[in-house]
Amino acid sequence: KNEVEQSPQNLTAQEGEFITINCSYSVGISALHWLQQHPGGGIVSLFMLSSGKKKHGRLIATINIQEKHSSLHITASHPRDSAVYICAVPGEGGYNKLIFGAGTRLAVHP
Amino acid sequence: DAGVTQSPTHLIKTRGQQVTLRCSPKSGHDTVSWYQQALGQGPQFIFQYYEEEERQRGNFPDRFSGHQFPNYSSELNVNALLLGDSALYLCASSSLQGHLTGELFFGEGSRLTVL
Repeated sequence: KNEVEQSPQNLTAQEGEFITINCSYSVGISALHWLQQHPGGGIVSLFMLSSGKKKHGRLIATINIQEKHSSLHITASHPRDSAVYICAVPGEGGYNKLIFGAGTRLAVHP
Repeated sequence: DAGVTQSPTHLIKTRGQQVTLRCSPKSGHDTVSWYQQALGQGPQFIFQYYEEEERQRGNFPDRFSGHQFPNYSSELNVNALLLGDSALYLCASSSLQGHLTGELFFGEGSRLTVL
């Protein structure tokens, strides 16, 4: 069983729709990351959260440490949100050793 | 601030050859981690460098080695290339306090194709 699992693997939405991407993990963690990867390959960190909820613009991330589950929501989705969204948790021994999920590929159509 | 820069962006090698990938971390960052991302999968941790030493290592063979220089830049070397080494290689940098702030920056990656 993978330590970090995401669902769905692929997601297609119409512009303006509310989007939810889920992440479950099996290891004990102190924090969880949500990242965005565009087709060129570069990865951008969106959130790091250890409890509750964080909001940045149209993006909202929530985490339930007890249930080992996190969600990333996108409100009023736009075609420029099209990307791969990845959750990651710290591995043993250090912050930078992240264990990544396989990612959710989001396509938002006009 | 140039952020994290990686070179080369793309390269093609043949089986058995050796490759060196380079990473310059974001200004002020002293910790560099390398990841391998196969097509359609999430990145896999290769190793991390801090103070010119390998501090942690993922489940990769000894063919994968690295180095960190006094200016914090880093190299990833892969010997005896296999077809399965074809992937996007990502470098991530942070400060020593990065685990407290959540500041982690990635480069655009080096895409390696092994024929």
